Amino acid sequence: QSVLTQPPSVSAAPGQRVTISCSKSDSNIGNNYVSWFQHVPGTAPRLLIYDNDRRPSGIPDRFSGSNSGTSATLGITGLQTEDEADYYCGAWDGSLSAVIFGGGTKLTVL
Amino acid sequence: VQLVQSGAEVKKPGASVKVSCTASGYTFTTYDINWVRQAPGQGLEWMGWMNPDTGGTGYAQKFQGRVTMTASTPISTAYMELSSLTSGDTAVYFCVRGGDLDFWGQGTLLTVSS
Repeated sequence: QSVLTQPPSVSAAPGQRVTISCSKSDSNIGNNYVSWFQHVPGTAPRLLIYDNDRRPSGIPDRFSGSNSGTSATLGITGLQTEDEADYYCGAWDGSLSAVIFGGGTKLTVL
Repeated sequence: VQLVQSGAEVKKPGASVKVSCTASGYTFTTYDINWVRQAPGQGLEWMGWMNPDTGGTGYAQKFQGRVTMTASTPISTAYMELSSLTSGDTAVYFCVRGGDLDFWGQGTLLTVSS
C-alpha cells in the first residue's frame, strides 16, 4: 500500500526559509499531483498548494510547491511565528482509488 | 464558501453516528464532498467521497461496509454515517470540498466510550 513519507519535524528562525519533503514509498511521486495543507490544531486544515505548485487565492507567495519526481517539496520563506503548525502532503492514488496523506510535519518557528 | 458541520457526539461502542455538513457560498452539486478524520495525536486519514449530483460514492478500503455517505441537495447538506463504532473511531471528522480539498468544515468531535 502506498504511503507518503514526511519528516516528523522541522524548525527554523523567524525570517528564515524552510522546506518540507514528501516522498512515496512504492513509486515515483512525480506521477501524482501533490497538495499541501497547513493545520493548526483545533482549527480546520487549510489548503496551501494543489497540483504540485499552484496556490489557491489568498495564499501568500511565501508558500511554494514543487515535485521533482523523487519527492515533492513545500517551501516557506520569510518564516513568521504564525506559520507554526502541522503540515501535510496529500495526493490521489489511482491504484488505491483513494486520497493518501503523509504523516505530517510539525514546524517550529524558533 | 462555508462548510458547517454538526456538533460533537458521544457514542457507545457498537453504536452508529451520522455527521452532517451544510454547504453555502457555491453550487452544492458541482463539487464532491470528501470526509477526512484525525484521531488524537494522529495524522489526517481520508475516508471517502461522494458526488452530491449523482449520489456516486467511493470509500477507503478500511471503511467499506461501515461507512455511508449521502446528501440532500435541496438543503445543500452532506452526511457521513459510521456504524459499529469502537474506541478507535474517536476522532475529529472533517467534511472537505472537491478533488482539490480546498475548503474544510470546522470539524466534528466524535468520542466513542462506554
